[in-house]
Amino acid sequence: AQSVTQLGSHVSVSEGALVLLRCNYSSSVPPYLFWYVQYPNQGLQLLLKYTSAATLVKGINGFEAEFKKSETSFHLTKPSAHMSDAAEYFCAVSGGYGNKLVFGAGTILRVKS
Amino acid sequence: DVKVTQSSRYLVKRTGEKVFLECVQDMDHENMFWYRQDPGLGLRLIYFSYDVKMKEKGDIPEGYSVSREKKERFSLILESASTNQTSMYLCASSSHRWGANEETQYFGPGTRLLVL
Repeated sequence: AQSVTQLGSHVSVSEGALVLLRCNYSSSVPPYLFWYVQYPNQGLQLLLKYTSAATLVKGINGFEAEFKKSETSFHLTKPSAHMSDAAEYFCAVSGGYGNKLVFGAGTILRVKS
Repeated sequence: DVKVTQSSRYLVKRTGEKVFLECVQDMDHENMFWYRQDPGLGLRLIYFSYDVKMKEKGDIPEGYSVSREKKERFSLILESASTNQTSMYLCASSSHRWGANEETQYFGPGTRLLVL
């Protein structure tokens, strides 16, 4: 069985500050891990994914995430927050049958000016 | 660019009505998925399909059914809508039968359903 825990349903940062969104996973098979972003009234858009090629993964819009097997974590970071980063972020794990994804509950990021 | 479209952005239905949500993708993807999204619960998988006329139950299939008559189209059916089915419904698609599990799922814009 697989599961994802996102710590913090709401995160607030100032513009220009570091963004850190936490994700821990549980998987009985080697996992593939994804971060998706959802802007208001839109569907989900892929930010980045870990597919075992490299532990540090760079995505779109300046985001990156590091896979740490020993900590079963895949935290998302961005050095400097921008107002346009305000959105809901979802971490997901895949590794079972049929390319199914298991999502975390999501983290809403607020960026203060 | 992959495009996944959903037939309606907003839908209001009455309890007991039969509801059809349609999803179409234009990238010849084998896999298609239906999720519902609720605050604090993330996305939960209702049904998925890896081929025409094939379907598999996800984590919360009760009260729903699906149809996939053509590769590009995947329909979600609420046989008798209930108020607890008020939610955001998201469709997604991905390539490769049986899932190379690193494949990206591409999402539609969602349908916000209100059942009165």
